[in-house]
Amino acid sequence: GEDVEQSLFLSVREGDSSVINCTYTDSSSTYLYWYKQEPGAGLQLLTYIFSNMDMKQDQRLTVLLNKKDKHLSLRIADTQTGDSAIYFCAEGLETYKYIFGTGTRLKVLA
Amino acid sequence: EAEVAQSPRYKITEKSQAVAFWCDPISGHATLYWYRQILGQGPELLVQFQDESVVDDSQLPKDRFSAERLKGVDSTLKIQPAELGDSAMYLCASSAGTAEKLFFGSGTQLSVL
Repeated sequence: GEDVEQSLFLSVREGDSSVINCTYTDSSSTYLYWYKQEPGAGLQLLTYIFSNMDMKQDQRLTVLLNKKDKHLSLRIADTQTGDSAIYFCAEGLETYKYIFGTGTRLKVLA
Repeated sequence: EAEVAQSPRYKITEKSQAVAFWCDPISGHATLYWYRQILGQGPELLVQFQDESVVDDSQLPKDRFSAERLKGVDSTLKIQPAELGDSAMYLCASSAGTAEKLFFGSGTQLSVL
């Protein structure tokens, strides 16, 4: 079946790097996405990676994809207090479906 | 920058009442999605439209929920009658095509008392 799993919480100190991990089960994904959600708001697309890529860098964000292990990670360099939010990974499937994880709550300590 | 518009932002209603949410996707986006997000969980798909046609409504509780996208542009999601368990964030999203980037609106936070 289709399932995306993430750890629930991550706490880091301001200025450190954050790494948020995600595993998925469906191998037919075309793109994989990372979204950020602040309290009471919708989901904001942060970055995405095509399923045949291994890595993508976008300013402070680095996405790593291990397709063999179905593992996706998001690294945030120089984490700031404004990065505190819930981060969702999602699979985009060929069938127009998007499967979301349960979200990782990132807390950045000053 | 183009955005997905949703209204209202917040809705408080009593159980057994009817509620309706509106969504206007990014211009040109043929695919529109309604998701429900319960606090502490990820979004769950309720219904997906391709233009004016329903592609997937397998998770929509059809005894009380209905959705339409009559002209293939904006969409309305209705709940009648609302139940306490319907309290959640209702998110609309749109994309340009299959597995394309999905853009979300700000959501409607529903509280059923």
